[in-house]
Amino acid sequence: GAGVSQSPSNKVTEKGKDVELRCDPISGHTALYWYRQSLGQGLEFLIYFQGNSAPDKSGLPSDRFSAERTGGSVSTLTIQRTQQEDSAVYLCASSLTSGSETQYFGPGTRLLVL
Amino acid sequence: SQQGEEDPQALSIQEGENATMNCSYKTSINNLQWYRQNSGRGLVHLILIRSNEREKHSGRLRVTLDTSKKSSSLLITASRAADTASYFCATDEGNYGQNFVFGPGTRLSVLP
Repeated sequence: GAGVSQSPSNKVTEKGKDVELRCDPISGHTALYWYRQSLGQGLEFLIYFQGNSAPDKSGLPSDRFSAERTGGSVSTLTIQRTQQEDSAVYLCASSLTSGSETQYFGPGTRLLVL
Repeated sequence: SQQGEEDPQALSIQEGENATMNCSYKTSINNLQWYRQNSGRGLVHLILIRSNEREKHSGRLRVTLDTSKKSSSLLITASRAADTASYFCATDEGNYGQNFVFGPGTRLSVLP
């Protein structure tokens, strides 16, 4: 089946505006992860969803960041009142189950805050 | 803080040579994974090695794991220009179902 998809591919916004990033995981995958990657850097964990359990939000950098996962499938990452330092590539990944399984990554959303 | 730390940060080799990248981590793990990233986009899973394994092969890739030294190495043999990418190791910090921690990566350039 199809892999992980993300939209939009690119997003340019003005400082202070809100943005929503979408992730469609592989069908049947119960685990979903969001990461942020600044230019030339490694991945920074943001949030993790597993089935119907409460998400692990320990990586969210501030209360401007939030995410939800509806019906155990599609996830939306929302950044409110964007700042220039939020500019990065936001990557979503899913895995079949929890338990340290292989993660399948989407192509990412490149966010630029002017 | 980053659990996995790769070295070198950047590596440049000629086509046909072998490339070795290393990863060190700090706490106990259940498994360690290596990923490749082209052009700053999505990562592709290469290989997973569990804590009770010492070596694993996949095509031209060879991964070793030394839990006593908390380190792993990724060897790419007979490199090709298409291997040019960033390579990341990821560890689960010993917590099943928890987040993975990725290192900053090694940027590999294979020159034709």
